[in-house]
Amino acid sequence: DTAVSQTPKYLVTQMGNDKSIKCEQNLGHDTMYWYKQDSKKFLKIMFSYNNKELIINETVPNRFSPKSPDKAHLNLHINSLELGDSAVYFCASSQGRGGGYGYTFGSGTRLTVV
Amino acid sequence: DAKTTQPTSMDCAEGRAANLPCNHSTISGNEYVYWYRQIHSQGPQYIIHGLKNNETNEMASLIITEDRKSSTLILPHATLRDTAVYYCIVRAAGIQGGSEKLVFGKGTKLTVNP
Repeated sequence: DTAVSQTPKYLVTQMGNDKSIKCEQNLGHDTMYWYKQDSKKFLKIMFSYNNKELIINETVPNRFSPKSPDKAHLNLHINSLELGDSAVYFCASSQGRGGGYGYTFGSGTRLTVV
Repeated sequence: DAKTTQPTSMDCAEGRAANLPCNHSTISGNEYVYWYRQIHSQGPQYIIHGLKNNETNEMASLIITEDRKSSTLILPHATLRDTAVYYCIVRAAGIQGGSEKLVFGKGTKLTVNP
């Protein structure tokens, strides 16, 4: 029933570990995104895929690697986690590239690195 | 994408109209005005968008000035559940007119009081 679902909802892990966050959308959208919201509440885009093609890759450490096996899924793998990676990560989807209409966001994954 | 300026915070009494202003004096002719909101701990939610005509949907109304340099989001009868951060975003439709990412500013923290 959920349009954009992320798992897990909460993730607590130690520094240096590798973790993945999964995202799935059932809206039939062809574009998916990862956003990061830090402790100051700024929402910043990290990556975007359109039909499995990477179209946006912001200045993000190489430790972050997105993977889109198909247009309904976009996963985020993070290697060697650092304290500064603690944030809420939001997945989103939209139909088409460009514009600002109809972005649907997931409920977020709260990552805490200790 | 054109820059937007919003007040940091606003208060509104429950049941009254909430009028949230946004300045976008450098808006281009092909750029739309989009509004999203983020209720605490949730992902952003699309509200409404418009080009130059006033728009209304089940959530809100959008009033855009004739010169398109500013707009106002109106929540006609605010409820406690409307307490959220409201983001005004200006960008072109389609990839030709601008970047492909939806960029969030700081937004306006609206608090609806009982």
